[in-house]
Amino acid sequence: LAKTTQPISMDSYEGQEVNITCSHNNIATNDYITWYQQFPSQGPRFIIQGYKTKVTNEVASLFIPADRKSSTLSLPRVSLSDTAVYYCLVGDSNFGNEKLTFGTGTRLTIIP
Amino acid sequence: DVKVTQSSRYLVKRTGEKVFLECVQDMDHENMFWYRQDPGLGLRLIYFSYDVKMKEKGDIPEGYSVSREKKERFSLILESASTNQTSMYLCASSSVRGSYGANVLTFGAGSRLTVL
Repeated sequence: LAKTTQPISMDSYEGQEVNITCSHNNIATNDYITWYQQFPSQGPRFIIQGYKTKVTNEVASLFIPADRKSSTLSLPRVSLSDTAVYYCLVGDSNFGNEKLTFGTGTRLTIIP
Repeated sequence: DVKVTQSSRYLVKRTGEKVFLECVQDMDHENMFWYRQDPGLGLRLIYFSYDVKMKEKGDIPEGYSVSREKKERFSLILESASTNQTSMYLCASSSVRGSYGANVLTFGAGSRLTVL
C-alpha cells in the first residue's frame, strides 16, 4: 500500500485559494487517490477522488501529475467553515480486501 | 441517505472491564472498518472486515477483537480495557460496487471512550 505524506498544518486567510499536497511515491497502477475532510468530533467525510489529471466537483479540485507520485487538493476561496483536518488516502478502489491506512492529515486553519 | 451508526457516543469504563462498541450500516456495504483516533496520530486502523465472519488485522490490533456475524453489523471488543485505550473510535464502511469504489469510506460519528 502506498504510504502518504502531507504537511502537518497550514494557515490561510478567508477568500484565498488553498492547495494541500500529498506525496505518495510508491502508488500502484490500480490505486486511486481519495481526499477526506474531518471537523472536530465528527468522522471524516469524502471530498473528492481521482486517478489522473484533474478532477473537479462542487467542493474542490484534485490535480494529479502524470507520474501520479503526488496529488494536490485545491479549495477555492476558502471560508472559516473550511477549517478542518484533510486526509489523503491511496488505494485500489476495486479491491475490497485492502488495509486502508490514513496518514496524519493536514490541519488547515482559516484566518478571518 | 447513507448511514453508519455507532451505538454509543460517549462511554466511561473502568480498567479491566469488557467493552463492546457496536456499529451498524444500512447501505449493504461489504467492507467495514474500525479506526481509533488520537491527537497527533491521525486515524489508525484496528481491524477491518470484507465479508460476514471475515476479519483482518489492521495496524494496531493488539488488545482488540472484532465480530461480524451479520453483514450490517461490525463490533469492536476490548476484552480488558486499559487506560491507554482511551480514545475516539470511528467505524466506517465501503463497497466495491459504489461509484467511487472500495476506498470511499462512510464514517460514523464516533464513540469517545474513556477508561479510568
